[in-house]
Amino acid sequence: EPEVTQTPSHQVTQMGQEVILRCVPISNHLYFYWYRQILGQKVEFLVSFYNNEISEKSEIFDDQFSVERPDGSNFTLKIRSTKLEDSAMYFCASSESLTQYFGPGTRLLVL
Amino acid sequence: QQPVQSPQAVILREGEDAVINCSSSKALYSVHWYRQKHGEAPVFLMILLKGGEQKGHEKISASFNEKKQQSSLYLTASQLSYSGTYFCGTDLQGAQKLVFGQGTRLTINP
Repeated sequence: EPEVTQTPSHQVTQMGQEVILRCVPISNHLYFYWYRQILGQKVEFLVSFYNNEISEKSEIFDDQFSVERPDGSNFTLKIRSTKLEDSAMYFCASSESLTQYFGPGTRLLVL
Repeated sequence: QQPVQSPQAVILREGEDAVINCSSSKALYSVHWYRQKHGEAPVFLMILLKGGEQKGHEKISASFNEKKQQSSLYLTASQLSYSGTYFCGTDLQGAQKLVFGQGTRLTINP
């Protein structure tokens, strides 16, 4: 069964450093998303992406965040200058229409 | 605005039933239910669209009351594998931006 994959599974970085989180959505899906989940809390929407552009973004998705689909298969989230409060699990999701399928997540720890 | 889930936590014995509710103060386009086990990704259970439909999958079903803007998830004859945190995600416009509730932690004991 096709699934969303994410790399790396864990990332530790120093405050102020840039990180890139990578996702490979399900191949025939057209809509892509990033969510984050701070430990023990709910899942929060960051951004949705369709037709090579951002379709929706939340208040969390400020100028330090960017997304890109650099080729036909990858979907990336870049955090330019990480802060301590960026520590969270980041989930990528993709959908063909309405149902969103989540990847296994990248656990980001900012020290 | 995030939906409100109730209860926050439920502890059941295997074989018992549970109902988890998800309420919104705004008109919803769709409600999405997910189950998340500790340290894992949310797993899609089902989606309900406005129109007040009810869906089911084996012993898990859900309804959507459009008048109340409330969805309920029903778990019948619960199994140990049902343990986890259940989240409802709401979508206001069909824009697929899901806003999740705080979750309901379900514990099933033998």
